[in-house]
Amino acid sequence: QVQLVQSGAEVRKPGASMRVSCKASGYIFTKYGINWVRQAPGQGLEWMGWINPYNGDTNYAQTLQGRVTLTTDTSTNIAYMELRSLRSDDTAIFYCAREHNSYMDVWGKGTTVTVSS
Amino acid sequence: EIVLTQSPATLSLSPGERATLSCRASQSVSSYLAWYQQKPGQSPRLVIYDASNRATGIPARFSGSGSGTDFTLTISSLEPEDFAVYYCQQRSNWPLTFGGGTKVEIK
Repeated sequence: QVQLVQSGAEVRKPGASMRVSCKASGYIFTKYGINWVRQAPGQGLEWMGWINPYNGDTNYAQTLQGRVTLTTDTSTNIAYMELRSLRSDDTAIFYCAREHNSYMDVWGKGTTVTVSS
Repeated sequence: EIVLTQSPATLSLSPGERATLSCRASQSVSSYLAWYQQKPGQSPRLVIYDASNRATGIPARFSGSGSGTDFTLTISSLEPEDFAVYYCQQRSNWPLTFGGGTKVEIK
């Protein structure tokens, strides 16, 4: 079955970087984009960016431009999201989601990232 | 950036009642709008895409309508498992954006 398995929870200090992985299975990885979405505690959904695993094209939310980088490894079917210069308000659950016609039809279970000194 | 405004913020209803959720876009998104359901502790789940198409496995009691700037998600008769937060999302323009959500709670 189609699934996205994300890496485990992380704790980081302000100013540090983090990288979350998202392993895809059950479908042809290069045929669908991957979106990243985050959700701060008790808050709504915020789109972070999108990557096309076929050619590496990306599109990022303006609010995160310069701090976030999306990459994929097509040999292992893994998507990565790196966020740098972490702040306390980056504390959130980070989701990867398969893109289908720019909607998100399959979601990972989420990775909790806590930024605290 | 297209802003999506959802109303009401909270909808208090009983099982069996009809739920009507609204999503308004700051500019036309044509029919490029989706609805997601999120239960506590779970990932969001696609419910409706392109304004009116049910996603795979979604029961027929869920329906979507609208185009342009005004959209509606209707749950014809609430089941216990439908109580959740619902988000709309547009794909008309980058950046993709979500509405703030409507919580459907048990009255």
